Amino acid sequence: GQQVMQIPQYQHVQEGEDFTTYCNSSTTLSNIQWYKQRPGGHPVFLIQLVKSGEVKKQKRLTFQFGEAKKNSSLHITATQTTDVGTYFCAGEKLTFGTGTRLTIIP
Amino acid sequence: ETGVTQTPRHLVMGMTNKKSLKCEQHLGHNAMYWYKQSAKKPLELMFVYSLEERVENNSVPSRFSPECPNSSHLFLHLHTLQPEDSALYLCASSQVGDRGRAFFGQGTRLTVV
Repeated sequence: GQQVMQIPQYQHVQEGEDFTTYCNSSTTLSNIQWYKQRPGGHPVFLIQLVKSGEVKKQKRLTFQFGEAKKNSSLHITATQTTDVGTYFCAGEKLTFGTGTRLTIIP
Repeated sequence: ETGVTQTPRHLVMGMTNKKSLKCEQHLGHNAMYWYKQSAKKPLELMFVYSLEERVENNSVPSRFSPECPNSSHLFLHLHTLQPEDSALYLCASSQVGDRGRAFFGQGTRLTVV
């Protein structure tokens, strides 16, 4: 079955530094979704990418979908303490990746 | 408020107990999901119901038994659980066929003693 892996598993950054998490699928995806889970909370939808090579931005967040539609990335510019949480990608049938846990050092 | 409500929020049960987790969605979605979240395996998909039919069962032990009586309600019946089953159980719903995003409930924190 489909496997979705994310790297890194953990990331600690100084406030103001950039952060990137990568998502890789064993199979080609029709779309990919990104979610954020704050500590003690539940996953919340951020965005969906559908087209090969698609790039979408939400303020300081930039999402990319690979040309082969098997990988994706989320980049956060100039992190803030509000960015703390675990970021998940999700592929077909809402199968989630392993997640990247982001902590911010003030 | 996400439109997906889970009860109870916290549950402590013994290994010989039988309990049920409940999930209700008010979004008019046609698919519902159970996920298990633990330190070892974040967001592990357990069961999927689409149009009230179970379409996914990811090698989950038989001590977990799902039930979907209608498109708005989903249950997870628990019996003779093990301590390693302690985790956060999350319910989600989505609209199938529209590449719909998932809306999650707040989760039930389960502790098996």
